[in-house]
Amino acid sequence: QQPVQSPQAVILREGEDAVINCSSSKALYSVHWYRQKHGEAPVFLMILLKGGEQKGHEKISASFNEKKQQSSLYLTASQLSYSGTYFCGGQAKGGSEKLVFGKGTKLTVNP
Amino acid sequence: DGGITQSPKYLFRKEGQNVTLSCEQNLNHDAMYWYRQDPGQGLRLIYYSQIVNDFQKGDIAEGYSVSREKKESFPLTVTSAQKNPTAFYLCASSMIGSHEQYFGPGTRLTVT
Repeated sequence: QQPVQSPQAVILREGEDAVINCSSSKALYSVHWYRQKHGEAPVFLMILLKGGEQKGHEKISASFNEKKQQSSLYLTASQLSYSGTYFCGGQAKGGSEKLVFGKGTKLTVNP
Repeated sequence: DGGITQSPKYLFRKEGQNVTLSCEQNLNHDAMYWYRQDPGQGLRLIYYSQIVNDFQKGDIAEGYSVSREKKESFPLTVTSAQKNPTAFYLCASSMIGSHEQYFGPGTRLTVT
């Protein structure tokens, strides 16, 4: 079952903040976040491996609440280059390498 | 440069024909994956392989077949049994053990 992402789409002005959420009905071992620009391949952003873990890179960070099986991606002071579709991928507990991806959140950052 | 290559970028076929999409990686990754992407559907897993000569069905394997005879290659065949084959197909690879997946540039298949 696919993780559920919300919102489906968000439009920002440059410099504004956004939060993208990802909820799973299955117990997850890890959560991956990727960004895909139109017509291109998805690009890895970060992996969260443990409940409560937070990671960040520049102005993009994420958290993983293992109890709620929820992950959130935080984009701070958004830049035009942040535009794209963001996908979360959940790796279920149990040993398989496979990820199940959500349907994506389309982020548009305008000047 | 290490990476994943997929060819061709665009592929056109007539209905009823099988077609094979190529995926090659020189990252020395053990795991490889095939995804299908349709508008608004995200990335759906077709097949994946964690080791040579072994592969597992993903969520939408019907109408597709794969082989993994070499570590660096994981071709996908879209058979005539796939009812709606027109889509964007992405190949990815990773190391074993919750590591990031590296994606190829994709093949856009159109079947008419």
